Amino acid sequence: DSGVTQTPKHLITATGQRVTLRCSPRSGDLSVYWYQQSLDQGLQFLIQYYNGEERAKGNILERFSAQQFPDLHSELNLSSLELGDSALYFCASSPSGRGYNEQFFGPGTRLTVL
Amino acid sequence: AQSVSQHNHHVILSEAASLELGCNYSYGGTVNLFWYVQYPGQHLQLLLKYFSGDPLVKGIKGFEAEFIKSKFSFNLRKPSVQWSDTAEYFCAVMREGSNDYKLSFGAGTTVTVRA
Repeated sequence: DSGVTQTPKHLITATGQRVTLRCSPRSGDLSVYWYQQSLDQGLQFLIQYYNGEERAKGNILERFSAQQFPDLHSELNLSSLELGDSALYFCASSPSGRGYNEQFFGPGTRLTVL
Repeated sequence: AQSVSQHNHHVILSEAASLELGCNYSYGGTVNLFWYVQYPGQHLQLLLKYFSGDPLVKGIKGFEAEFIKSKFSFNLRKPSVQWSDTAEYFCAVMREGSNDYKLSFGAGTTVTVRA
């Protein structure tokens, strides 16, 4: 158990819908990262938040957005869902967002878009 | 753009065999290097990491990796695998000195160990 929690574990929805994935970082960790794992794209970085502010953006679609709240939990919002958005979405956290900090990964949310 | 290449997509071997997984990256600056493992149905776990110092890094579960700067490589090794090492292995690179600390992952190598 990494200490990072993600809910829900599984999500099945239809195209065109909107979903919210939730992540609670390890206690004391200020940085939250979101990654998408799919068969064709592999593991890809989506976005990073540090202490409530966006720090970096990766291959995140405009239909996707995220935020980090004052209690440091984070939500990833996916809208106008397409079949290709089906993937495993991981959240990771690290203490301060510095390069030498290990990122601890949560168990992931498996999203299936039908 | 920075990329991470893992040479083997799927490796099948018998228990007690030696394992070596290749990883190369393309970024020319200072990097931090990681190997993560994903056991079936589980989340990513850190096996080992390299930031500086001794280029031979020892990790958990008997794994080690060697950073060869001139070859832009960070290969993972284990002298004698067990059935429980069946998993997917990911090499990851983080650029040192950038303002973000995202991990760029390789495509992963699936390792199947036969009893």
